[in-house]
Amino acid sequence: QQPVQSPQAVILREGEDAVINCSSSKALYSVHWYRQKHGEAPVFLMILLKGGEQKGHEKISASFNEKKQQSSLYLTASQLSYSGTYFCGTETSGSRLTFGEGTQLTVNP
Amino acid sequence: GAVVSQHPSRVICKSGTSVKIECRSLDFQATTMFWYRQFPKQSLMLMATSNEGSKATYEQGVEKDKFLINHASLTLSTLTVTSAHPEDSSFYICSATTSRTTGNQPQHFGDGTRLSIL
Repeated sequence: QQPVQSPQAVILREGEDAVINCSSSKALYSVHWYRQKHGEAPVFLMILLKGGEQKGHEKISASFNEKKQQSSLYLTASQLSYSGTYFCGTETSGSRLTFGEGTQLTVNP
Repeated sequence: GAVVSQHPSRVICKSGTSVKIECRSLDFQATTMFWYRQFPKQSLMLMATSNEGSKATYEQGVEKDKFLINHASLTLSTLTVTSAHPEDSSFYICSATTSRTTGNQPQHFGDGTRLSIL
């Protein structure tokens, strides 16, 4: 089943922060986060494997609450280059991922 | 590292034509490759999972005789859209990973193929 992402879209000014949420109705083994720019391939950001695990990638970090079957992606001090559509992918079985609908992030100067 | 090459990037052809799309992992051995379809402003929909040396596993609703997948080596998987029709027009993306059994490794995506059937 497809995970639910929120919000669907967010507009920021450069330097502002944002949080993107991903929730599933099924138990999660892992959560992947990707960013896709228009007309391009998705780019891997990070994987979260354990409950409560938090990871960071430059000014982008994420948390994973295994019990709540939720993950959140945190973008701090956003840059123009952060614009794009963010997808969470939840592991269902055998390394297969089911992707959410995506969150469109726009960072303006 | 972890580069996936996908060709062609764009195909325009007549209805009834068969189209082959290649997906290659350039600097790693891809135990598993995935094929996705993406409509404009929509999510990535998994079509099939391909493991080297074995038959592909198709998702529910995906016609295996329509979308032929071959994973002949650890670096190459191909998707052939047979007798393509306008409704097959879409953006097709492959991804590759070194993991077979768990999602503890990232998927690395190709640049996608935009298929347009006239």
